[in-house]
Amino acid sequence: AQSVSQHNHHVILSEAASLELGCNYSYGGTVNLFWYVQYPGQHLQLLLKYFSGDPLVKGIKGFEAEFIKSKFSFNLRKPSVQWSDTAEYFCAVIPGVTGGGNKLTFGTGTQLKVEL
Amino acid sequence: DTGVSQNPRHKITKRGQNVTFRCDPISEHNRLYWYRQTLGQGPEFLTYFQNEAQLEKSRLLSDRFSAERPKGSFSTLEIQRTEQGDSAMYLCASGQGNSPLHFGNGTRLTVT
Repeated sequence: AQSVSQHNHHVILSEAASLELGCNYSYGGTVNLFWYVQYPGQHLQLLLKYFSGDPLVKGIKGFEAEFIKSKFSFNLRKPSVQWSDTAEYFCAVIPGVTGGGNKLTFGTGTQLKVEL
Repeated sequence: DTGVSQNPRHKITKRGQNVTFRCDPISEHNRLYWYRQTLGQGPEFLTYFQNEAQLEKSRLLSDRFSAERPKGSFSTLEIQRTEQGDSAMYLCASGQGNSPLHFGNGTRLTVT
């Protein structure tokens, strides 16, 4: 069964610092990759997704992620974080080529706190 | 898009009682998923419906858990004879075709 690893469980940054959150998955075939964000008290929201094509994908709020197939990784980045980025971030995987119709397997999440 | 709606938001129950949660997906979405999330963990898949058909159930879903989606619209998740280990956030998500899932705010269950 596929699994998703997020090695950073808690990250604390100052505003304007750069962010990179790691995500590795264990599945040898074609995958569809996602980052979801959960702001305090809110539901999970899609930040960005990769299905195929350009491995560097851009999402909302200045976030981007790079799919590196050889490393089974899909790290999330943002050049300059804001206090409002404080949230929990989840990496998720769907195996196969359908794009999004199958169940997501989530990582354990990374709690990001941005300090003023 | 009114979003995925889940009720109740919070449920406190005593061990041994039965509880039922409801999920109203986005109206045109034919896929509906239930997930469970505990503290410090990501959401874990429980079960999945396409229209009214329950197509997949996780081995996490013991026989005390049952889910229905009778008319292919809203869904209910029932837990019978609740145990303290059932305390968690229960999330519902819906989707259409290959579109990414939309999640509800969840129902937080506390079993005392």
